[in-house]
Amino acid sequence: AQKITQTQPGMFVQEKEAVTLDCTYDTSDQSYGLFWYKQPSSGEMIFLIYQGSYDEQNATEGRYSLNFQKARKSANLVISASQLGDSAMYFCATSGGSNYKLTFGKGTLLTVNP
Amino acid sequence: DGGITQSPKYLFRKEGQNVTLSCEQNLNHDAMYWYRQDPGQGLRLIYYSQIVNDFQKGDIAEGYSVSREKKESFPLTVTSAQKNPTAFYLCASSIIGGLTYEQYFGPGTRLTVT
Repeated sequence: AQKITQTQPGMFVQEKEAVTLDCTYDTSDQSYGLFWYKQPSSGEMIFLIYQGSYDEQNATEGRYSLNFQKARKSANLVISASQLGDSAMYFCATSGGSNYKLTFGKGTLLTVNP
Repeated sequence: DGGITQSPKYLFRKEGQNVTLSCEQNLNHDAMYWYRQDPGQGLRLIYYSQIVNDFQKGDIAEGYSVSREKKESFPLTVTSAQKNPTAFYLCASSIIGGLTYEQYFGPGTRLTVT
């Protein structure tokens, strides 16, 4: 079974600054994936970034990067140069095994202040 | 445009009635999923299907039923046996194979039962 813990219910950041959203995971699978999704107030889930458990380099996608520390079982999301449009809920998720299911954390509400 | 459609966006029902939520995808994905989201919570998996005419229970399947008669369609029925059906329901799909299989989400259906 997999478990995701996001310890920050809410975070505030000033526009143009960087912010780190924490995520720790627990899994018994040898191979697994780690995902971050953004959920604006409209409700849709937007895929941001993926990290595979065997990937040695941290994943990056534009202003998003994933700080993957396998020994600590953490997969923090770093957003650089925050924009007002980044204000949303952010969910960390993990997958593993052969059933392709995703297990989500409870999310972090990010507010970007002008 | 490829994507996932869910209809309707808002749905209201009286207690004791069954209601079916629609989910259609034109991404040619094999796997489809239904999630439930309650306020301030992450997503919880209700059912998933990796192939036509086959589906598996997720973590909270009680009171729900699904069918997968076509690859493109995965409707969810919320039955009167579901004790707390009011929630936001999200449908997703993904490819099968490897671990880099991010799930693509529909816009969601907000169900209110009174």
